[in-house]
Amino acid sequence: GAGVSQTPSNKVTEKGKYVELRCDPISGHTALYWYRQSLGQGPEFLIYFQGTGAADDSGLPNDRFFAVRPEGSVSTLKIQRTERGDSAVYLCASSLDTYNEQFFGPGTRLTVL
Amino acid sequence: ILNVEQSPQSLHVQEGDSTNFTCSFPSSNFYALHWYRWETAKSPEALFVMTLNGDEKKKGRISATLNTKEGYSYLYIKGSQPEDSATYLCAFDNQGGKLIFGQGTELSVKP
Repeated sequence: GAGVSQTPSNKVTEKGKYVELRCDPISGHTALYWYRQSLGQGPEFLIYFQGTGAADDSGLPNDRFFAVRPEGSVSTLKIQRTERGDSAVYLCASSLDTYNEQFFGPGTRLTVL
Repeated sequence: ILNVEQSPQSLHVQEGDSTNFTCSFPSSNFYALHWYRWETAKSPEALFVMTLNGDEKKKGRISATLNTKEGYSYLYIKGSQPEDSATYLCAFDNQGGKLIFGQGTELSVKP
């Protein structure tokens, strides 16, 4: 069956611009997670949703980052006023429910010039 | 702050060599330890989910062990092949929903 998909696969933007990254989870998965992997580091948790609500957003680095999941399926990670330090691979994962195995998408590589 | 450490950071081996890497994690509030294999431009692929102290799991030439009392897990690859080249990530799961990853071990296998 279809796995987790993320679009775009690559995004290059200029400092100060706004970007949106999209995640399509596996159908029927109620939990959805966003992670960010910066160069030389492991993925770091950003936020996770159970259904439509953000169950834990403690990993969002500051108020420039925001994520939504309005219908409990597709999620969008939004970054305002991008900075060079936001350059990273943004990974999305979904699971059947919280505490179940997480399945990852291929990531979006964001480059801020 | 929960800390997950992996070593070595990178490893270069010849085809046919056997190799192993380490993941250390907090020994308290343990729920599960996950191993993932991540090839460039692909999705991280789940290898093992380990939950019980003393657990040993195997998938083909890859196996993993778990010691929750001392907070470490080993991943072994027997007879490495070029297609094993990838970054191997471990992630600590304290049943809080989010996974806490180590920085990964980048394996390169030369033919």
